[in-house]
Amino acid sequence: DVKVTQSSRYLVKRTGEKVFLECVQDMDHENMFWYRQDPGLGLRLIYFSYDVKMKEKGDIPEGYSVSREKKERFSLILESASTNQTSMYLCASSLKGWQETQYFGPGTRLLVL
Amino acid sequence: DAKTTQPPSMDCAEGRAANLPCNHSTISGNEYVYWYRQIHSQGPQYIIHGLKNNETNEMASLIITEDRKSSTLILPHATLRDTAVYYCIVRGGVNTGFQKLVFGTGTRLLVSP
Repeated sequence: DVKVTQSSRYLVKRTGEKVFLECVQDMDHENMFWYRQDPGLGLRLIYFSYDVKMKEKGDIPEGYSVSREKKERFSLILESASTNQTSMYLCASSLKGWQETQYFGPGTRLLVL
Repeated sequence: DAKTTQPPSMDCAEGRAANLPCNHSTISGNEYVYWYRQIHSQGPQYIIHGLKNNETNEMASLIITEDRKSSTLILPHATLRDTAVYYCIVRGGVNTGFQKLVFGTGTRLLVSP
């Protein structure tokens, strides 16, 4: 079974704080993704990575950065959290090849006060 | 991605088959039909996907019409734990480049005792 884990299920942070969300997959997948999900807006891609140290911007990268130092780990960083970054954050991974099935982690529900 | 249309909600009695329809009339020849589901406050879970032929796995069956303009996801013996939002997605296959996932509004399936 593919296993994608995320560091926290729920997180509460204050405006201006630096926030780290971590994702780990155990299936040796090349591709990893960060999405956010908001009511009425569906799933939106923030960043993705197709290899170690490689990253590509998705549709809404502003206010976020990512890090992929090891193949199994993909971190999302909110440099200075803002209230409009309150959301459900979802990490996914897939094998190499853009058509491959993406498998999701359980999600992190972030509240920025 | 091609647009999909799903009913907003469906009910099913526990133990009965749940048949979830999806229309994708503008699907292209190399595009796959994917199904995911999302239980409240959890990450999306991959269920099944197919191109032309019907597919079955341990979770569900996928029936794709011959013209590929619609499909049905079948949960053969629904349980209360199958209550979730089910998303039908169409995405490109091999050599179609990067394919982010785009979730529509999905079908909210309620399984009752």
